Amino acid sequence: DAGVTQSPTHLIKTRGQHVTLRCSPISGHKSVSWYQQVLGQGPQFIFQYYEKEERGRGNFPDRFSARQFPNYSSELNVNALLLGDSALYLCASSLARQGLYEQYFGPGTRLTVT
Amino acid sequence: AQKVTQAQTEISVVEKEDVTLDCVYETRDTTYYLFWYKQPPSGELVFLIRRNSFDEQNEISGRYSWNFQKSTSSFNFTITASQVVDSAVYFCALSRGDSSYKLIFGSGTRLLVRP
Repeated sequence: DAGVTQSPTHLIKTRGQHVTLRCSPISGHKSVSWYQQVLGQGPQFIFQYYEKEERGRGNFPDRFSARQFPNYSSELNVNALLLGDSALYLCASSLARQGLYEQYFGPGTRLTVT
Repeated sequence: AQKVTQAQTEISVVEKEDVTLDCVYETRDTTYYLFWYKQPPSGELVFLIRRNSFDEQNEISGRYSWNFQKSTSSFNFTITASQVVDSAVYFCALSRGDSSYKLIFGSGTRLLVRP
């Protein structure tokens, strides 16, 4: 079975622009979570979506938003990009919202803001 | 508040040496989960182990072993007879029992295994 896929792999944007990152979960997984990993740090939780609804949100500004589609794929949107948004954005999928289900991570999208 | 501390920023060992990666966590919850993930240069986080707060049994999986001690709030990871392929960044993470989807990661330990 295919793992979690993310697109694009790399992205370069200018300050003030908008970006959309995409994630396709493992087939059958209904939960998608997004994490931001700044260089040299551990990933930080941004959002969790389960059954197309936001179920959890980390400490990120409203410039960050996301949605989940009927096929359980997800998009992360970031408006008014700042230099500090440069990071690896990781998507993780899981069978259920929580409980003893592993989260499987994708390879990430590396975003560079210049 | 929940917090994970990985004090070792980088460790360098020669192949076949044993190496222990330290993880100290903070939480006031009685139910929580602890994790270890491996991040190779490709960037993808690879799940290694999950432990719940009620299970302090140590675990061994091949060359990997984990030592969970609630008394010292530690969840250390040992690689026996390290190999070059073990070179990666290793993250320890914590989640609350009522929001186990939200992982709180430490800053990671970069392990370099030299031939």
